[in-house]
Amino acid sequence: DIVMTQSPDCLAVSLGERATINCKSSQNVLFTSNNKNYLAWYQQKPGQPPKLLISWASTRESGVPDRFSGSGSGTDFTLTISSMQVEDVAVYYCQQYYGIPPTFGQGTKLEIK
Amino acid sequence: QVQLQESGPGLVKPSQTLSLTCIVSGDPVTRGTYYWTWIRQPAGKGLEWIGRIHISGTTHYNSSLKSRLSISIDTSRNYFSLELTSVMAADTAVYFCAREGGYYDSWGQGVLVTVSS
Repeated sequence: DIVMTQSPDCLAVSLGERATINCKSSQNVLFTSNNKNYLAWYQQKPGQPPKLLISWASTRESGVPDRFSGSGSGTDFTLTISSMQVEDVAVYYCQQYYGIPPTFGQGTKLEIK
Repeated sequence: QVQLQESGPGLVKPSQTLSLTCIVSGDPVTRGTYYWTWIRQPAGKGLEWIGRIHISGTTHYNSSLKSRLSISIDTSRNYFSLELTSVMAADTAVYFCAREGGYYDSWGQGVLVTVSS
């Protein structure tokens, strides 16, 4: 199975500041035939299901604020929130869908400093 | 817009069978583009993929659950189901169903299942 490792486990960021969450896969998730990274990011707030933010490593879902961006390729990926807002307090997960089974990172808890 | 809703008992006794259903509205489960997936989350912990089914009948199961797990699909009623046998305390979790096109773009709200006598 592909192991997804996120860092840090917890992150506290001041309002208006940048938040950066990293995700590393144990195997390459870039499919060379279509040059796509099979990597997604989710946001989960308490009592709610995860919400898809980004697919294909960098494609933002419709309705997701543009302060959220994804980058990276191969085995190393980053979710960036350019300006932290109160409503961004949540746990964030990366997920690879290159291999079976699909696997998630352990989650990063984002709080306000 | 697709909506998914889990249903099933909130309490199951150890060694019994957990049965959950995910009712899908707004999208036919016969759409070949998607897998229909179960994911669970123990309290305060991360997401664990359980397994998935495609309308073709193809299923994939978490290897740690495979011997106890069955996922099926009912095209006439537009839902899919999970059965997990011989449950134990470690199976206590919120169970989510989701639509999968690689990534999970639609989720149910989740149902808490507690395994306890």
